[in-house]
Amino acid sequence: QKEVEQNSGPLSVPEGAIASLNCTYSDRVSQSFFWYRQYSGKSPELIMSIYSNGDKEDGRFTAQLNKASQYVSLLIRDSQPSDSATYLCAVNVGYSTLTFGKGTMLLVSP
Amino acid sequence: EAGVVQSPRYKIIEKKQPVAFWCNPISGHNTLYWYRQNLGQGPELLIRYENEEAVDDSQLPKDRFSAERLKGVDSTLKIQPAELGDSAVYLCASSLGGSDEQFFGPGTRLTVL
Repeated sequence: QKEVEQNSGPLSVPEGAIASLNCTYSDRVSQSFFWYRQYSGKSPELIMSIYSNGDKEDGRFTAQLNKASQYVSLLIRDSQPSDSATYLCAVNVGYSTLTFGKGTMLLVSP
Repeated sequence: EAGVVQSPRYKIIEKKQPVAFWCNPISGHNTLYWYRQNLGQGPELLIRYENEEAVDDSQLPKDRFSAERLKGVDSTLKIQPAELGDSAVYLCASSLGGSDEQFFGPGTRLTVL
């Protein structure tokens, strides 16, 4: 069973702080990793993809990948109340098939 | 560019009734996915199409679920008969050939009474 693990949260941070969301995966051969944001009652929205070890930055978002530790993270700088959502980690387990974690709920308080 | 389109957005049915969901992927996306998402869980893949071919249906409960993508564009997912445990959000996603990035439609929220 190929698994993706996330802390369900909620992770509470004050406005302007850095939010750190973490994800571990079990399949060592996974090559591509994704973060989706899902607002309550809405569908998942792709916000970041990362394919190689290290950091990838896009605006206030930074994805970090460590394949040796089988660990992916998402940092959100200058968190805003509008960032309050559930963040889903997804891992490609082969043949374009994604396995999703259960998601971490982020709450950003004004 | 228009996103993935799904209909209906909501459906309430009695158990044992049939139900169908429709999806139109992003133009040019030849890979189409159907997922089911239960409350508090991540999406779980039901079936993946490459053009009109179902290349991964290992998680599709074939006794009651069926899907088709006849012309390699839009797709229909059917449940017959529906059970109480089928209540969930059914999500359609699409991707370009050769890309892992999947884009989701708004989903259909199914309630089985």
